[in-house]
Amino acid sequence: EDKVVQSPLSLVVHEGDTVTLNCSYEVTNFRSLLWYKQEKKAPTFLFMLTSSGIEKKSGRLSSILDKKELFSILNITATQTGDSAVYLCAVDPYNTDKLIFGTGTRLQVFP
Amino acid sequence: GAGVSQSPSNKVTEKGKDVELRCDPISGHTALYWYRQSLGQGLEFLIYFQGNSAPDKSGLPSDRFSAERTGGSVSTLTIQRTQQEDSAVYLCASSRLGQSYEQYFGPGTRLTVT
Repeated sequence: EDKVVQSPLSLVVHEGDTVTLNCSYEVTNFRSLLWYKQEKKAPTFLFMLTSSGIEKKSGRLSSILDKKELFSILNITATQTGDSAVYLCAVDPYNTDKLIFGTGTRLQVFP
Repeated sequence: GAGVSQSPSNKVTEKGKDVELRCDPISGHTALYWYRQSLGQGLEFLIYFQGNSAPDKSGLPSDRFSAERTGGSVSTLTIQRTQQEDSAVYLCASSRLGQSYEQYFGPGTRLTVT
């Protein structure tokens, strides 16, 4: 059965800290891995990763994929209170248009 | 243009009643998805519409759940004889054809069954 597992489930840090969120997966016919940020209800798209070892970067956020070890990490440097959210990882298999989501990591950044 | 919209934003209903949740996708997006998110859980896929093809209903948890999409645009998710375990946030998303990786989500409907 295809599955996506995220860790940790929750994380509490202070502003300025750097955090690393983990996503591992077991999926047949892997096509891409996606990261979303969910602040209230609607997740917003962050990154799509398809190739191993190529870092995607957007401001203080970056992500990389390891297709051999079947995982991805999302790094956030110099965290701010506005980074507080649930970060969702999802995998997009080749043979379907259904994304498979992990349970998310809840990040809380305190001043 | 406008993003994905959903209504109502919140719905409280009594156990056993039927509810209808509405999703209005982004214009031009042929794919529409419904997800459910229970407290502290990830997104659970429910159903997927792609153009005029038959919907993928493989995620619907029981026959009390159904959805339709009229005219390739607006979609309605119906839950019959609601149960307390149906309480969750129901999220709708849409995407362009072949771009399921970039789904745009609506604000969701929070359903509470008392």
